[in-house]
Amino acid sequence: GENVEQHPSTLSVQEGDSAVIKCTYSDSASNYFPWYKQELGKRPQLIIDIRSNVGEKKDQRIAVTLNKTAKHFSLHITETQPEDSAVYFCAATRPGNTPLVFGKGTRLSVIA
Amino acid sequence: KAGVTQTPRYLIKTRGQQVTLSCSPISGHRSVSWYQQTPGQGLQFLFEYFSETQRNKGNFPGRFSGRQFSNSRSEMNVSTLELGDSALYLCASSFSTGGRNEQFFGPGTRLTVL
Repeated sequence: GENVEQHPSTLSVQEGDSAVIKCTYSDSASNYFPWYKQELGKRPQLIIDIRSNVGEKKDQRIAVTLNKTAKHFSLHITETQPEDSAVYFCAATRPGNTPLVFGKGTRLSVIA
Repeated sequence: KAGVTQTPRYLIKTRGQQVTLSCSPISGHRSVSWYQQTPGQGLQFLFEYFSETQRNKGNFPGRFSGRQFSNSRSEMNVSTLELGDSALYLCASSFSTGGRNEQFFGPGTRLTVL
């Protein structure tokens, strides 16, 4: 089955700097890759997703890139702000009614 | 729309007991998935129910079971509790089955096994 590795497990950046979180997946059939953000004490929420027919997707300060050949995808946050501090989870799934497989999460701390 | 709700929010049990957790999805959502969240292990998929049928199952022992009712509400049961079952249990609802649909998570039930 699918296996998703996520790095780093913790990341600290200065406010205003960029943050990058990387994930690799094992199943070459996977074609949907969402990212969820979980603030402290709150529920995970979808922040951005990408499908395998595109290589990059942006939404304001966040972007996700996908390299199908290498089987990895990354989350990029620019101009980080304290409210970006949270745990970020990447996930992958293949076509059909298959469940998401999540990475173990990255705890991002933005230092003011 | 009201969000996903879970009850109870906190539970303390002892080893060997059983527990039932409840999840009410967003109105109109027919899929409910359950996840176990522990520090350092991320979100581990337990199972998914859609239209009262289990559609997918993760790699958890048979002590973990679930069901879904005709109104899409779902329950999860854990029997013969072990210390390692202590975790945050999250349910998520979506309009249709499978992970390609946005998952809307509930606040979770924090289970502590003593």
